[in-house]
Amino acid sequence: DTGVSQNPRHKITKRGQNVTFRCDPISEHNRLYWYRQTLGQGPEFLTYFQNEAQLEKSRLLSDRFSAERPKGSFSTLEIQRTEQGDSAMYLCASSLSTGRDIQYFGAGTRLSVL
Amino acid sequence: AQSVSQHNHHVILSEAASLELGCNYSYGGTVNLFWYVQYPGQHLQLLLKYFSGDPLVKGIKGFEAEFIKSKFSFNLRKPSVQWSDTAEYFCAAALQFGAGTQVVVTP
Repeated sequence: DTGVSQNPRHKITKRGQNVTFRCDPISEHNRLYWYRQTLGQGPEFLTYFQNEAQLEKSRLLSDRFSAERPKGSFSTLEIQRTEQGDSAMYLCASSLSTGRDIQYFGAGTRLSVL
Repeated sequence: AQSVSQHNHHVILSEAASLELGCNYSYGGTVNLFWYVQYPGQHLQLLLKYFSGDPLVKGIKGFEAEFIKSKFSFNLRKPSVQWSDTAEYFCAAALQFGAGTQVVVTP
């Protein structure tokens, strides 16, 4: 499977714990995006990278959230001191920057904070 | 603030009926527009896209969408739905997504 891969698929954690998710994009894609999706809502943009540079961050990305893409390939999204309101599906997408980018989405990581 | 609005949250229709889902966006200038579909248990997939040119775009599985610049709209249509079209449909403008429309097609 050469699509966007996200791990883990599910994560259950206790409030206050830190969690980290990983996204492996389609290999030739230089852009990588993180979204959050809650029940009944569409994906909400969090941040995106072009190669290793983080180019845009949403105001939804509080200081407890940090994302990295150290070598311009895979990316990690870390949430520190998780809160119940962080429970959501975290989606990753990748694209090739052409000015007419088409994003390809992974299956997501579902986070449940107890 | 930039936003995308989808008119219906839930739509129920019978097989062979026609489907139209409304989408309005609030953006100035040029914007890339998309419709994505999420089938039960599957990840988001691109249905169709508009970048420029012919405002009537055709996508996969018989879907089409019309871009009307003056109305800031990008409505999705399918003349005759099938049971397999049961899914959630999301309109997107650049990095902003609408809340989605859950479509249920009954046999």
